[in-house]
Amino acid sequence: SAVISQKPSRDICQRGTSLTIQCQVDSQVTMMFWYRQQPGQSLTLIATANQGSEATYESGFVIDKFPISRPNLTFSTLTVSNMSPEDSSIYLCSVGGSGRATYEQYFGPGTRLTVT
Amino acid sequence: AQSVTQLDSQVPVFEEAPVELRCNYSSSVSVYLFWYVQYPNQGLQLLLKYLSGSTLVKGINGFEAEFNKSQTSFHLRKPSVHISDTAEYFCAVSLSGGYNKLIFGAGTRLAVHP
Repeated sequence: SAVISQKPSRDICQRGTSLTIQCQVDSQVTMMFWYRQQPGQSLTLIATANQGSEATYESGFVIDKFPISRPNLTFSTLTVSNMSPEDSSIYLCSVGGSGRATYEQYFGPGTRLTVT
Repeated sequence: AQSVTQLDSQVPVFEEAPVELRCNYSSSVSVYLFWYVQYPNQGLQLLLKYLSGSTLVKGINGFEAEFNKSQTSFHLRKPSVHISDTAEYFCAVSLSGGYNKLIFGAGTRLAVHP
C-alpha cells in the first residue's frame, strides 16, 4: 500500500483567506482524489486530479473555489479559496494505481480545517 | 448513478459479541465494493474489498463481508469484537473497471462496550 502524508495536519484560518493543502505519496500513482468530510458527515468527492491534465470536478465544486495542481505522479495540492465557516471540514486526499491493478484507494491522514 | 445506504447510524455492542454492519447499494452497472474504518482523528483505512469472484471476502482485523448481488448488499461482520474496534465504518462503491471515484454511505458508528 502507498504511504500518504498531508500538510498541514490542521489549521485555523480567518474567513476570506486561502489555504493550500499538500498531499505527498511515497510512490508514483496514476490517480489522486480529493475528498471533503464535513463535521459528523461522510466523505464527498471534490475532484479527481490526474497528472498532465485538468482536474475533474464533481457537481457543486468549482475550480475557482478549489483549485488543484498535480505537477507529478507523487504530489498534489488542493487550495481552499476565499474561505467561509462553511468550509470547515476535514480534507482528505486518496490515491490509487501504484502498481498492480487492485482498484483500491488509500487515504491520507486528512487536514482538519477550521474557518473562523 | 450509484448510491450507498448504511442502514444503521449507530451500533452498540458488548465486547466479544458478534456484530453486523449493514450496507445496501444501488447501481445499474457493475461495481466494486469497499469497507473502510475511520478511528477518531485519523484518516480512512481499507478493511476489505469486493471486486469479483468469491462473494465472501475476508479483511483485516478479523472482519469479513459477503456480497449479495440479488439483495444488492455488502454487509460487514465480525464474530467477536474488541474495545479497539470502536470507530466509524464506511461502506463505499465505485464503478468497476478502473480507479473510479468512491461513493460513500453515511457511516455507522460502532461502539463496543466492556
